[in-house]
Amino acid sequence: EVQLVQSGAEVKKPGESLKISCKGSGYSFNDYWIGWVRQMPGKGLEWMGIIYAGDSDTTYSPSFQGQITISADKSITTAYLQWSSLKASDTAMYYCTRSIAALDTSVDFWGQGTLVTVSS
Amino acid sequence: QSVLTQPPSVSGAPGQRVTISCTGNSSNIGAGYDVHWYQQFPGTAPKLLIYDNHNRPSGVPDRFSGSKSGTSASLAITGLLAEDEAHYYCQSHDSSLNIYWVFGGGTKLTVL
Repeated sequence: EVQLVQSGAEVKKPGESLKISCKGSGYSFNDYWIGWVRQMPGKGLEWMGIIYAGDSDTTYSPSFQGQITISADKSITTAYLQWSSLKASDTAMYYCTRSIAALDTSVDFWGQGTLVTVSS
Repeated sequence: QSVLTQPPSVSGAPGQRVTISCTGNSSNIGAGYDVHWYQQFPGTAPKLLIYDNHNRPSGVPDRFSGSKSGTSASLAITGLLAEDEAHYYCQSHDSSLNIYWVFGGGTKLTVL
């Protein structure tokens, strides 16, 4: 069974750093792309960026370039999304996703989401 | 402002048919890129409902169907059930932006 299991909810202060994870199982991790999607409270879905698990080829949305870092460790079939300095506006649910390609593709599996709350 | 435009809400009575539109332009849907649809219940992750314009993943009832024409796509739900009440999002790719996945703003379906 394909699964993307994300790390638990986080509560952070502005300026703090954070790294959340997404562990894939039940499929060949190296053969798929892992994307990250933000959903702010009560809002829609926004694509943040994507990484190819096989070689860590990464592309960021212009809206998030420089604000986040996406990485992956194929030895433990886990992808990461990290911030070096959080802002209150980063408060959102973050989903990792699986897709067979980077663009012009659907997402066939989603993680359960990681809620990040940034508040002083 | 989402790149793909969806109505904020639609509604229908049980048993009825509803459609949700997703309007793009010549850089995304009109350029021939596929459209995909997702269903999201409150507090849960989105789930793939329709991929590549009209295909249903295994397990999705045939009450759900998708179509695409020109710069728009539609999701149709027939035989509406109370359990269909959810948010629905369309997704595609846009060649004019360096954004691999563009989403519609989402449509809340209310079953009356």
